[in-house]
Amino acid sequence: GAVVSQHPSWVICKSGTSVKIECRSLDFQATTMFWYRQFPKQSLMLMATSNEGSKATYEQGVEKDKFLINHASLTLSTLTVTSAHPEDSSFYICSARGPSADTQYFGPGTRLTVL
Amino acid sequence: KQEVTQIPAALSVPEGENLVLNCSFTDSAIYNLQWFRQDPGKGLTSLLLIQSSQREQTSGRLNASLDKSSGRSTLYIAASQPGDSATYLCALGSSNTGKLIFGQGTTLQVKP
Repeated sequence: GAVVSQHPSWVICKSGTSVKIECRSLDFQATTMFWYRQFPKQSLMLMATSNEGSKATYEQGVEKDKFLINHASLTLSTLTVTSAHPEDSSFYICSARGPSADTQYFGPGTRLTVL
Repeated sequence: KQEVTQIPAALSVPEGENLVLNCSFTDSAIYNLQWFRQDPGKGLTSLLLIQSSQREQTSGRLNASLDKSSGRSTLYIAASQPGDSATYLCALGSSNTGKLIFGQGTTLQVKP
């Protein structure tokens, strides 16, 4: 079946640093990937839609200059949290739209802790 | 604006029981509805996908129904097992863009 990986699985960083999270579709090409954020005991909130070769589309309230998204190839999207602060600590999950447009495959998530 | 609500937030049952998880939504103009499973600290696993034109889907011990007119979906789990313990999320697709709106989830514990 289709597999989506994320790297790193967890990261701890100091306040003010930038952190890059990778999302890869391992055995299929994904023209569209999605980035979600999940705070403890809360549901997933869509942050942005990442389209290969074009600019990402951000959801209302998500700062595009703080959460930089790059989708340079059909198998890789990256999310960079710039100048991270403790309130950015969260579980970040990506998904990739599969060959069947209605199917999404989710990555295992990345736990970000900002000290 | 579409809102998705899942009740109950948590559920604990003894092994072997049949159970129903509920999902309600405010806008019936949906593209599809999906049920996912999330284990602690992990990503999501898709369980069932129901298209807007469908009424239900079945996979093994799982059955999901969709009633757009009442804005409700249910996930039925038959003969529950301890391995079913997880958080179950329902998510609505409002269009073919792939965007999903998630409910808060129901955390299920099945006791041996």
